Amino acid sequence: AQSVAQPEDQVNVAEGNPLTVKCTYSVSGNPYLFWYVQYPNRGLQFLLKYITGDNLVKGSYGFEAEFNKSQTSFHLKKPSALVSDSALYFCAVREVVGSQGNLIFGKGTKLSVKP
Amino acid sequence: EAGVAQSPRYKIIEKRQSVAFWCNPISGHATLYWYQQILGQGPKLLIQFQNNGVVDDSQLPKDRFSAERLKGVDSTLKIQPAKLEDSAVYLCASSFRVGNTEAFFGQGTRLTVV
Repeated sequence: AQSVAQPEDQVNVAEGNPLTVKCTYSVSGNPYLFWYVQYPNRGLQFLLKYITGDNLVKGSYGFEAEFNKSQTSFHLKKPSALVSDSALYFCAVREVVGSQGNLIFGKGTKLSVKP
Repeated sequence: EAGVAQSPRYKIIEKRQSVAFWCNPISGHATLYWYQQILGQGPKLLIQFQNNGVVDDSQLPKDRFSAERLKGVDSTLKIQPAKLEDSAVYLCASSFRVGNTEAFFGQGTRLTVV
């Protein structure tokens, strides 16, 4: 069965510094990988996805993620953090089997960016 | 483009009562999901529809939860009877299809069972 792990409950970063939010996955076939962000009392907002091709994926709000097949990782990165990036971040994986496939989420990582 | 609409936003009920949530997905999206998000955890898939058919309800507590998607558009999720541990945010999401397309989420319904 597919699964996603986000090993850090919280990541603390100073504004202007680079940030990384970690994600590893487990699937038996090829994964489709996604990052979502959740602000307080809001639904999840899509940030970016990896389907195939270039291992470095660029998304919304200056975020990017690097797919590493050998390490089964899909870490979220941003070169310079903003206070407004403070939120809950979720990694998700979909393993497509035929025409079906569930979207499974990690437990989330709280990002705190301090001025 | 209108997003995924959910109602109500908040609901407080007593245990053993029943409750229903409504979701209207993005127009043209064939796949609809219901997730349960307990405080401090990631969303857990309850049920996935493809048009008006169920493709995965393996984690739906079928003794108390039910869901339907009539005509392949709107969907309702019902809990009867509710338990204290059902307190959570219920998120509806839709996607154009299964596969490499992302899912778009509604704002969710926060359920408190007292």
